[in-house]
Amino acid sequence: AQKVTQAQTEISVVEKEDVTLDCVYETRDTTYYLFWYKQPPSGELVFLIRRNSFDEQNEISGRYSWNFQKSTSSFNFTITASQVVDSAVYFCALSEIYGGATNKLIFGTGTLLAVQP
Amino acid sequence: NAGVTQTPKFQVLKTGQSMTLQCAQDMNHNSMYWYRQDPGMGLRLIYYSASEGTTDKGEVPNGYNVSRLNKREFSLRLESAAPSQTSVYFCASRRQGHSGANVLSANVLTFGAGSRLTVL
Repeated sequence: AQKVTQAQTEISVVEKEDVTLDCVYETRDTTYYLFWYKQPPSGELVFLIRRNSFDEQNEISGRYSWNFQKSTSSFNFTITASQVVDSAVYFCALSEIYGGATNKLIFGTGTLLAVQP
Repeated sequence: NAGVTQTPKFQVLKTGQSMTLQCAQDMNHNSMYWYRQDPGMGLRLIYYSASEGTTDKGEVPNGYNVSRLNKREFSLRLESAAPSQTSVYFCASRRQGHSGANVLSANVLTFGAGSRLTVL
């Protein structure tokens, strides 16, 4: 069975601090996708990144970076020099790649990040 | 703007009433999904439709029915609402596939804005 664990329920930081959100996953599939979504206070779900299990290169996009480690089944998300606008709930998710049209996205329970000015 | 449109955004029901949440997407996606979001539980899949004409149960289907009316529309119905169904509901759609010009967007869920439902 697939499972995504985000052990950090809430994190509070002061602006300009770096913060890492943890994501650990379980799957029997050898090929899969991992995702991060952001849910700001307005409530919509915003896609941030998709990684596939073939590619373990870390990714950087501006202040955001993602560390994928297959050996530890982790896909952690780091925000550098956090800003108040980063305050949101962040969800990690997992999906098989070759399950066809029925493959489903399994979400973690989310981490609430509060960035204080 | 292209995307997923959900209606209504807010609804208050009394226990036992019925209602339908509507969802439409204009991205020509094959698959559509209904999730519910509850505090501390993340998003849980209620039902999904892999393609027009097919629907399947997700994690928490009890108390719900769905209809995939056509490729664009996927509705969620509560026949007899219960307080346990108080939640925020999200519709989503996804383009399946692993190749082609839009490979980077494949298998990424696009969500609607959500529908907040309160059952008294």
